[in-house]
Amino acid sequence: SAVISQKPSRDICQRGTSLTIQCQVDSQVTMMFWYRQQPGQSLTLIATANQGSEATYESGFVIDKFPISRPNLTFSTLTVSNMSPEDSSIYLCSVRPHTTYNEQFFGPGTRLTVL
Amino acid sequence: EDQVTQSPEALRLQEGESSSLNCSYTVSGLRGLFWYRQDPGKGPEFLFTLYSAGEEKEKERLKATLTKKESFLHITAPKPEDSATYLCAVPGVNNQGGKLIFGQGTELSVKP
Repeated sequence: SAVISQKPSRDICQRGTSLTIQCQVDSQVTMMFWYRQQPGQSLTLIATANQGSEATYESGFVIDKFPISRPNLTFSTLTVSNMSPEDSSIYLCSVRPHTTYNEQFFGPGTRLTVL
Repeated sequence: EDQVTQSPEALRLQEGESSSLNCSYTVSGLRGLFWYRQDPGKGPEFLFTLYSAGEEKEKERLKATLTKKESFLHITAPKPEDSATYLCAVPGVNNQGGKLIFGQGTELSVKP
């Protein structure tokens, strides 16, 4: 399995500001994803981070709110823009290392609190 | 619509008291069922993949099984360190299987 790191591990932000979360993988992977886990809830996919092209967003998530970059096969960023308290969640990146198998492996997460 | 339902929502066991967690799924064409363990404030830790009915996987005190409609995670003689939330997930139909549909999880607490 891939080793995944995220920065920052946690942050407390003010309403109206933006935060960029970084995800680094120790090997090249084709597919990278960003998930959100709201307090007491399960995981929900935000978008698929595509290398060299625009991210693919799930219903209910838009690029203006959650811009994503994927400059290469080992790195991606997720920005949470114009934050409100409702954005307080754990944000997780995941990777699917194998093209044949569907397993995904998750990073440690970024715990975001918006005041 | 793809759906995953886990039960119970919470389970409290005494150390050594074996039990099972359930994951029921509805999906068009199963492309794997995954079990994860999640500790508070951390990312999910991958445990098992099951691909076909009848398949079983084991890891220490955990054994995962799969039927055509559900999966079970059996915990034998649990210890307090097994306390965590256990999540199951299946790949959705769209997005080339990249979108995992998660259940709500079962929060397991094992008391000494």
